[in-house]
Amino acid sequence: KQEVTQIPAALSVPEGENLVLNCSFTDSAIYNLQWFRQDPGKGLTSLLLIQSSQREQTSGRLNASLDKSSGRSTLYIAASQPGDSATYLCASGTSYGKLTFGQGTILTVHP
Amino acid sequence: EPEVTQTPSHQVTQMGQEVILRCVPISNHLYFYWYRQILGQKVEFLVSFYNNEISEKSEIFDDQFSVERPDGSNFTLKIRSTKLEDSAMYFCASFPPGQDEKLFFGSGTQLSVL
Repeated sequence: KQEVTQIPAALSVPEGENLVLNCSFTDSAIYNLQWFRQDPGKGLTSLLLIQSSQREQTSGRLNASLDKSSGRSTLYIAASQPGDSATYLCASGTSYGKLTFGQGTILTVHP
Repeated sequence: EPEVTQTPSHQVTQMGQEVILRCVPISNHLYFYWYRQILGQKVEFLVSFYNNEISEKSEIFDDQFSVERPDGSNFTLKIRSTKLEDSAMYFCASFPPGQDEKLFFGSGTQLSVL
């Protein structure tokens, strides 16, 4: 059974700082790895999807990497802004779409 | 971009009452899902639905829960006799045919059981 863990549970940084969020998974036979953003009381916004054959994906200031052999993924946020404050979730996916989520990292970027 | 639509956005019910959460998945998608998120906890898989039947369900999805796709467009989650611990955000999602695809989520229904 796939287990997904995220560290740290919470992170507070000053505006402008680069930061890394970590995600680990127990079963390396994943199909894909997805990062989401969730604002308080709101739904899930997909940020980046990395297929198992890929090493990384980039979108604007976000870069996600995947290392299947070590069971790890990282989300790198460059030049953080207060608007980046949210909970970031990673999820391991199967070929038919089922996702297993981590607990999330609560990010606060203060001005 | 096509969207998964969920209604209502908020539902308040009394303990013991039946509740039906509604979803309209994206029309050409093949797999349909319900997930839930209790406040402060992980998003948890409840059930997947494929080819008009349940393809997988979690331990959470007991006899109090059922799903239907009655008319080929709507996808519903019914909770027969709600409990306080059913209070959560419920997300519907659908998955398209093809390779390298991703799950599309609705915006969720916040269920409060009093």
